Amino acid sequence: AQSVTQLDSHVSVSEGTPVLLRCNYSSSYSPSLFWYVQHPNKGLQLLLKYTSAATLVKGINGFEAEFKKSETSFHLTKPSAHMSDAAEYFCVAGGGATNKLIFGTGTLLAVQP
Amino acid sequence: GAGVSQSPSNKVTEKGKDVELRCDPISGHTALYWYRQSLGQGLEFLIYFQGNSAPDKSGLPSDRFSAERTGGSVSTLTIQRTQQEDSAVYLCASSPKDRGGNEQFFGPGTRLTVL
Repeated sequence: AQSVTQLDSHVSVSEGTPVLLRCNYSSSYSPSLFWYVQHPNKGLQLLLKYTSAATLVKGINGFEAEFKKSETSFHLTKPSAHMSDAAEYFCVAGGGATNKLIFGTGTLLAVQP
Repeated sequence: GAGVSQSPSNKVTEKGKDVELRCDPISGHTALYWYRQSLGQGLEFLIYFQGNSAPDKSGLPSDRFSAERTGGSVSTLTIQRTQQEDSAVYLCASSPKDRGGNEQFFGPGTRLTVL
C-alpha cells in the first residue's frame, strides 16, 4: 500500500525568497514519486518525477526535489519564488502493477509581492 | 499535439438523474485513468483501463458508477441516480504505458454539480 502526506496545507512566501513544500511517503515497494501543479481553473501539470535514477530531480520552472529514502521524503524546492508560482501543488506516488496515482492533500502556495 | 480532452467541461444535473462524462485520451496511449477531485476527499483514483485487459475498478465509490472504454480509445464514465455527494471535478488521464514512472497526462476535467 502507498500513502502520501503533505505536511503543510498552506505556505506563503515573499517573491524572490526560497520555496519549500514538504512531502513524506509510505510505500511497500520502491515508489515512483511526482510533483504536480494545478493553477486556478487549470489542469494538472507535471513539475518533475523520480523513478529511481538520480535522487535529485530537476523539473520545470526552476523547481527541484530530492528523494531521501532514509527520511521517506520528497520535498519540493525552488531558490526564488515568482508570482506565477502561486498555485496548488500535489505530491503524488505511483508505480505498482497499474501505476494508479495516490495524491497528497495538496499545498496551496501563495506568493506575496 | 493534442492533449487529453474531456467533455462536457461543466455539467449541472438534478439529484437522481444519470450523467455521462467523456474522455478522449492522447492518441496511442494505452493506459487511461479516471480520478475525482472533491473538497472533502481530495484527489482519488476511480478506475483504470489498460488495452484490452479487464479494468481495475477498485476506486469506484459505489455501484452507481461505471465506465467503459471503446476500441481502446475513448472512455465514458457514467454515474447513475446522481447524489449531491457526487459533485466534484472528474479528471481523466492517459499514459503511454502502465509501468511505474510514466507520466500521466491529465485533461482539464469535467465539473459536475448535482443540485
